[in-house]
Amino acid sequence: QKEVEQDPGPLSVPEGAIVSLNCTYSNSAFQYFMWYRQYSRKGPELLMYTYSSGNKEDGRFTAQVDKSSKYISLFIRDSQPSDSATYLCAMRKGAQKLVFGQGTRLTINP
Amino acid sequence: DAGVIQSPRHEVTEMGQEVTLRCKPISGHDYLFWYRQTMMRGLELLIYFNNNVPIDDSGMPEDRFSAKMPNASFSTLKIQPSEPRDSAVYFCASSLNRDFQETQYFGPGTRLLVL
Repeated sequence: QKEVEQDPGPLSVPEGAIVSLNCTYSNSAFQYFMWYRQYSRKGPELLMYTYSSGNKEDGRFTAQVDKSSKYISLFIRDSQPSDSATYLCAMRKGAQKLVFGQGTRLTINP
Repeated sequence: DAGVIQSPRHEVTEMGQEVTLRCKPISGHDYLFWYRQTMMRGLELLIYFNNNVPIDDSGMPEDRFSAKMPNASFSTLKIQPSEPRDSAVYFCASSLNRDFQETQYFGPGTRLLVL
């Protein structure tokens, strides 16, 4: 079993929809949780970073962590075609060693 | 800042040949990471350095892979001999480390195709 599970999709939604992306994990030692966005043929870039359970909001993006359920989510409101990308969840244990999910490929249709 | 720089951006080689991938991290960053990304396995950490010293190479697939960081501004990942299953996108990333709060900045990647 992988430490981090993420549905690879693909996920296709109409412009303006609310998007929900999720990851589950098995290792309770994870403390820091991130979402990276990767455009086609580019390197991943950090989108959201959270520590501890709860919600964190940044513009149209909300990251949610539920440590009791070992479940994290990324919500995108008013989705735009420019949000079309692969979204990877990542978690940190120890010093600097990130463990990534498989990535979910998202397409926002105009 | 130019960000993390990787070269070459694309590499096509034949099985058995030596491949060398290069990375220049962001100036001042303490950590350097090498990742491999494939459709099947996603993004995998191969090795990472702290202050030019290899810390964890448990992700290196086998002895055909080696990585060096001779100074703070340069690292190489070498595959010798290369095999078709090594075909992937290889990313280099760098980060500062202040109470684990810093994130990793990825380069554009090197697309490797081994025929």
